[in-house]
Amino acid sequence: DGGITQSPKYLFRKEGQNVTLSCEQNLNHDAMYWYRQDPGQGLRLIYYSQIVNDFQKGDIAEGYSVSREKKESFPLTVTSAQKNPTAFYLCASRLSGTEAFFGQGTRLTVV
Amino acid sequence: ILNVEQSPQSLHVQEGDSTNFTCSFPSSNFYALHWYRWETAKSPEALFVMTLNGDEKKKGRISATLNTKEGYSYLYIKGSQPEDSATYLCAFNYNAGNMLTFGGGTRLMVKP
Repeated sequence: DGGITQSPKYLFRKEGQNVTLSCEQNLNHDAMYWYRQDPGQGLRLIYYSQIVNDFQKGDIAEGYSVSREKKESFPLTVTSAQKNPTAFYLCASRLSGTEAFFGQGTRLTVV
Repeated sequence: ILNVEQSPQSLHVQEGDSTNFTCSFPSSNFYALHWYRWETAKSPEALFVMTLNGDEKKKGRISATLNTKEGYSYLYIKGSQPEDSATYLCAFNYNAGNMLTFGGGTRLMVKP
């Protein structure tokens, strides 16, 4: 089955820790995205990547880092520099010019 | 930061009502406008990808129009059903690149 897989579904982080959220797709899509959703708000773009080894900052990139070493994978690291990381994180991918497909999301909570 | 606005933020309607909501976006450097439906506990799913000024698209009881010159798109739902309850998101594709900027969404609740 083709699709996008995010893991884990729930993640708890202690203050000062870095955590990495996984996103894998087998749709052969070139572009991949990370979005953040806070309660009552829409999706805000953190980072996106158009091809392997290339990525661009979105509107809220501070405190996050990404890598794109393989076409299928676009992991997001939430660093200790992100002051308010508790949120719902969505990964998406698409072929240029077409609709985006989304993963199931990861809910990150700082404890 | 590209400004993509959706209104209203939320909407309560009765089953059978027809409804519509708005997405506004920058009118310059337009490439495409997307509409997605996001049901609770599911992933967002695409409804439409619209690229041409004056475009109208339809899927069952849902349709959308696009005005790129003035920077807005309307989504219409005819005869709302409880299963239409969801958050409807629009996304603006700037230039020919891959950046997709979403609006804040319209949360629709349809009462039986």
